[in-house]
Amino acid sequence: KQEVTQIPAALSVPEGENLVLNCSFTDSAIYNLQWFRQDPGKGLTSLLLIQSSQREQTSGRLNASLDKSSGRSTLYIAASQPGDSATYLCAVRRRAAGNKLTFGGGTRVLVKP
Amino acid sequence: GAGVSQSPRYKVTKRGQDVALRCDPISGHVSLYWYRQALGQGPEFLTYFNYEAQQDKSGLPNDRFSAERPEGSISTLTIQRTEQRDSAMYRCASSFSGGTSGSLSETQYFGPGTRLLVL
Repeated sequence: KQEVTQIPAALSVPEGENLVLNCSFTDSAIYNLQWFRQDPGKGLTSLLLIQSSQREQTSGRLNASLDKSSGRSTLYIAASQPGDSATYLCAVRRRAAGNKLTFGGGTRVLVKP
Repeated sequence: GAGVSQSPRYKVTKRGQDVALRCDPISGHVSLYWYRQALGQGPEFLTYFNYEAQQDKSGLPNDRFSAERPEGSISTLTIQRTEQRDSAMYRCASSFSGGTSGSLSETQYFGPGTRLLVL
């Protein structure tokens, strides 16, 4: 069974600092891994998808890395802004589980102005 | 709009009543997924469809839960004889492809969710 863990559960940083969010998973046989952002009262916004054959994916200030062998992904957000405050979730698609996503519990981020 | 839409956004019901939650996926998306999210946790998979075919319903908690997508577009998740433990955020997602290549076309896009409260 796939387990996805995100530590820490909450993080507070001053504006301008770089954010580093961690995601670990137990089953390395995955199709891909997605990072999402969740804002209160809104849906999940897909930030990045990393295919299993990729090592990293970048979009603007966001960079996500994937190390399947160690079962880890890291989301970097450069030069954080108060608007980056949200909960960030990672989710994996296991080869043994078809199309379903298995989510971590999320990291709640607060960027202080 | 171009995104996934869900209705109602909020539903309050009494224990024992049936509820139907609707999901309208992004036009042209083959796959549609239902998840349930408890407060402070990540979403948990319930079921998914490719076109009108229900491919996996392993996440449905019991036989009070059912889902359909009769024309391969809009989907309805029905909960019969609701119980207080059914209270949660129910989220729908869709993806262009239901394949297994791991490619960007399999990115799942989520709707705003339906918050269900069973009294």
